[in-house]
Amino acid sequence: QSVLTQPPSVSAAPGQKVTISCSGSGSNIGNNYVSWYQQLPGTAPKLLIYENNKRPSGIPDRFSGSKSGTSATLGITGLQTGDEADYYCGTWDNSLSGGVFGGGTKLTVL
Amino acid sequence: EVQLLESGGGLVQPGGSLRLSCVASGFTFSSFEVNWVRQAPGKGLEWVSSISNSGSTIYYADSVKGRFTISRDNVKNSLYLQMNSLRAEDTAVYYCARRGSWYYFDFWGQGTLVTVSS
Repeated sequence: QSVLTQPPSVSAAPGQKVTISCSGSGSNIGNNYVSWYQQLPGTAPKLLIYENNKRPSGIPDRFSGSKSGTSATLGITGLQTGDEADYYCGTWDNSLSGGVFGGGTKLTVL
Repeated sequence: EVQLLESGGGLVQPGGSLRLSCVASGFTFSSFEVNWVRQAPGKGLEWVSSISNSGSTIYYADSVKGRFTISRDNVKNSLYLQMNSLRAEDTAVYYCARRGSWYYFDFWGQGTLVTVSS
């Protein structure tokens, strides 16, 4: 059971938009920045969003992040088949004194 | 180019030990906190441990506390994870990851597989 809660899967058609939610608590998301990672099959995770809504160099603006209270959301517009991957949210938990991740969401582009 | 290269994984019996290494290049290793994150087969990411840039501050997940020891050598640009009393549930790909400013992992290694089985 992960500390952060994500839907196990989401799907949408190419060109469409999808959102992935990440729910936590005051000890983690409520008081810390959230980051998002993309993991393509058989590869290491890759940073997509940091500090709630910032994109590292090279990440297209089709990817966006937001946070409100104890929840965060990853948005992906203009879906491409190459976006099919597992997506994870992550942050620090002040009560656990450790990092925490969501259970991951598998994105299928139909 | 920032690179992190893990090694040391393999097959070990329950109760055994293994030492993982991660060699960093392309950045000033001594300026960054580094972490171990693992992923069991078919499962999600699990944070394991972190060590500050100087090595003075260390944290562990409850699942490994008392069995795993993280350390670093800033002269050798290397991160280590000594894993003792290994259990079947420690079977996973272990990644080293560099931490950015406000708790995010901006660079990851390719991972090394640890299999605990008799």
